[in-house]
Amino acid sequence: DIQMTQSPSSLSASVGDRLTITCRASQTIGSFLNWYQHKPGKAPKLLIYGAFSLQSGVPSRFSGSGSGTDFTLTINSLQPEDFATYYCQQSHSTPYTFGQGTKLEI
Amino acid sequence: QVQLVQSGAEVKKPGSSVKVSCKASGGTFSNYSNYAINWVRQAPGRGLEWMGRVIPMLVISNYAQKFQGRVTIIADKSMSTASMELNSLRSEDTAVYYCAREVGSGTNDWEFDLWGRGTVVTVSP
Repeated sequence: DIQMTQSPSSLSASVGDRLTITCRASQTIGSFLNWYQHKPGKAPKLLIYGAFSLQSGVPSRFSGSGSGTDFTLTINSLQPEDFATYYCQQSHSTPYTFGQGTKLEI
Repeated sequence: QVQLVQSGAEVKKPGSSVKVSCKASGGTFSNYSNYAINWVRQAPGRGLEWMGRVIPMLVISNYAQKFQGRVTIIADKSMSTASMELNSLRSEDTAVYYCAREVGSGTNDWEFDLWGRGTVVTVSP
């Protein structure tokens, strides 16, 4: 199975900050990397697919980069609604696997 | 706008089974034939865990090794419904279970673009 390692596991930030979350795959996955935002009691929401493509309707302050084994999610100018948990996920091969999550707190 | 509507919360005894359904409301699962329905769960205080998926066009299911032999995922593409049945329940199966539609180009992306709101399954004596 492909292991996904996210860092950091938690992060404190303020409105207006710029932050980066990293995700590393245990083997090369090309661009088969997605990012999701998850808030308590809600369904996860797709933010970035194919490593860098912005899902329709997602604000442009979210961006993704990377390929192979190392990926990043960047959020520019944090907004109050961005405080949530973020997960990376590899879709290169089944079993699909998620990172352990990054909880973004004020 | 298509939504995935899941069945309601369940409370089950250890050793029993649970079946959770997922139905496309406001349309079909997809206007394209190339999609899958996945099931993902989140136990209390834990992250997201992929359980398996069904590819309706191919009538193929595949599962995470952890659940192999205990889970069955099927779909009826004509009815735009899918279900996940988990047997031999134990307390560790207490979780929120999500269905999610998987789409993509296949060349460099497959992603879960549409999710159900989740079904709480509680396993308790």
